[in-house]
Amino acid sequence: GAGVSQTPSNKVTEKGKYVELRCDPISGHTALYWYRQSLGQGPEFLIYFQGTGAADDSGLPNDRFFAVRPEGSVSTLKIQRTERGDSAVYLCASSRDPSSYNEQFFGPGTRLTVL
Amino acid sequence: DQQVKQNSPSLSVQEGRISILNCDYTNSMFDYFLWYKKYPAEGPTFLISISSIKDKNEDGRFTVFLNKSAKHLSLHIVPSQPGDSAVYFCAAKIIQGAQKLVFGQGTRLTINP
Repeated sequence: GAGVSQTPSNKVTEKGKYVELRCDPISGHTALYWYRQSLGQGPEFLIYFQGTGAADDSGLPNDRFFAVRPEGSVSTLKIQRTERGDSAVYLCASSRDPSSYNEQFFGPGTRLTVL
Repeated sequence: DQQVKQNSPSLSVQEGRISILNCDYTNSMFDYFLWYKKYPAEGPTFLISISSIKDKNEDGRFTVFLNKSAKHLSLHIVPSQPGDSAVYFCAAKIIQGAQKLVFGQGTRLTINP
């Protein structure tokens, strides 16, 4: 079946603009995660959804970042007033259920560049 | 505060030999560890995992070893193949805690023919 998909694959924006990044998880997966990977670093956790609700948003760096998952499937990560430091690859992952032993399946990521 | 560390940014190994990738962690609450493999322009893909109740887990050419007292784990690939060339990430989590994975910085493995 289809894996996790993310759109767009690349996004270039100007400082101060608003961006939305979309994630389509694997069908039937109830858990969804957002991570951010900066150059030369490993993925860094941002937020975790169980169903429609954000179960853990402790990784969001500040209130310019917000994510939603209104129907428990597709999720959108929203970044307001973008800054050059927001440039990174934003990765989405999903897993079958919240069981801690379930592996997280990652999408290919959205490369965000803030000029 | 880097709770999971991969101190070797890169590793070069000859085809057919053993590749050993290392990972150290500082948080003693971590009790589940995973290795992910990443090719350029793709997301990380799960490779192998180990629970803290074990000290070894094997899957084909891949073996993960865990030394809890040293807070150290390693991934052994034998024999190494050209298709193994990728960036490898070590990750850790707390089973009864948050669902998030904490990743190391990654090690770029290059297998030379």
